[in-house]
Amino acid sequence: DQQVKQNSPSLSVQEGRISILNCDYTNSMFDYFLWYKKYPAEGPTFLISISSIKDKNEDGRFTVFLNKSAKHLSLHIVPSQPGDSAVYFCAARNFGNEKLTFGTGTRLTIIP
Amino acid sequence: DAGVTQSPTHLIKTRGQQVTLRCSPISGHKSVSWYQQVLGQGPQFIFQYYEKEERGRGNFPDRFSARQFPNYSSELNVNALLLGDSALYLCASSSGGGSDTQYFGPGTRLTVL
Repeated sequence: DQQVKQNSPSLSVQEGRISILNCDYTNSMFDYFLWYKKYPAEGPTFLISISSIKDKNEDGRFTVFLNKSAKHLSLHIVPSQPGDSAVYFCAARNFGNEKLTFGTGTRLTIIP
Repeated sequence: DAGVTQSPTHLIKTRGQQVTLRCSPISGHKSVSWYQQVLGQGPQFIFQYYEKEERGRGNFPDRFSARQFPNYSSELNVNALLLGDSALYLCASSSGGGSDTQYFGPGTRLTVL
């Protein structure tokens, strides 16, 4: 039972353009969502998060959008840079519970 | 400040053996969680410990166990290793308030032959 889904295994984007990574979830009890970035041979690095009481959160080049009715969130990276090439994981949790449920990841490749 | 550290970096074991993985959290963090990541999948939650108490357990067999020490470091033990236990084992730490961001270590790559 995959409660967090990232349906695009890979995505290629030209440098300078917008990268949009998508994530869907099925568990309506999730109320906090996070994006992590992972390089090979490293652990996941926290990027940005959003609470279910918000529909948007921005941090520099990264913006996360949450559509609760559709149980969908997306990560926008603008402008995309070569260093953004990595695997991106969407994760979710219930309030007061630190257990994270991850998606399967999307490999983002930025083309110079 | 140092981030989450894990040891060893890589480990090769044979089926039936036992393994112990170690994790030191970020200074000041009291919560440690363990995740297993197999190739092509996202990390799967194994355990969470806070103030030396188990706070959560994922859907893993009893061959998996963990503990947390007074200095908040943690060990993950896996007994009777199976080929399917080959994975990247990740440790994450947080302040432990229940709504805190988890920060991950680099992981231990376990190969079971």
